[in-house]
Amino acid sequence: GDSVTQMEGPVTLSEEAFLTINCTYTATGYPSLFWYVQYPGEGLQLLLKATKADDKGSNKGFEATYRKETTSFHLEKGSVQVSDSAVYFCALSDYGGSQGNLIFGKGTKLSVKP
Amino acid sequence: GAGVSQSPSNKVTEKGKDVELRCDPISGHTALYWYRQSLGQGLEFLIYFQGNSAPDKSGLPSDRFSAERTGGSVSTLTIQRTQQEDSAVYLCASSLVTRAGGPNEQFFGPGTRLTVL
Repeated sequence: GDSVTQMEGPVTLSEEAFLTINCTYTATGYPSLFWYVQYPGEGLQLLLKATKADDKGSNKGFEATYRKETTSFHLEKGSVQVSDSAVYFCALSDYGGSQGNLIFGKGTKLSVKP
Repeated sequence: GAGVSQSPSNKVTEKGKDVELRCDPISGHTALYWYRQSLGQGLEFLIYFQGNSAPDKSGLPSDRFSAERTGGSVSTLTIQRTQQEDSAVYLCASSLVTRAGGPNEQFFGPGTRLTVL
């Protein structure tokens, strides 16, 4: 079945450091890909998405490109801030005739130190 | 407008008791999802409703779990004879109607933290 694998955390960075969180997926169809973020004490929020190969999703300085050839959707940010400390989840959804539920990776906890 | 709401926010129960968790989706969202977030398993999909129908219940972990949705709106997840391994945060999400070639963003509620003693 479909699955998502993302790098294990926790990840600890200093403010203004470069961030990469790796995510790869396995899917039988042509999924849409997502990054969700969960800030401390808050619910899951959509951070960015991409619906087809070579699409780049971006939001709040974060970017991820849908790479079909490597089945990857790595999350990047050039300069992280303390406020980016959160748990990040990579997810996919295969809408091709299916119900559209999200399949999540295990999550990566990011801590940014001042 | 109002987001997805869930109640209660926290529930502590004794092993063997039944619990009901409630989800109020965003008005007009016909698709509703239940997920479970636990330390060992991460985020797992449980069940999906399109309107009042749940075409696929295979994500429910056991027959102690059931869910219903009435009036195309509120949904209730019921866990019978709770076990300690049911302890988790139960998340509800809603979206506009799902269609092939989507996606429609899923909006998540704050979750219900269930603790089974």
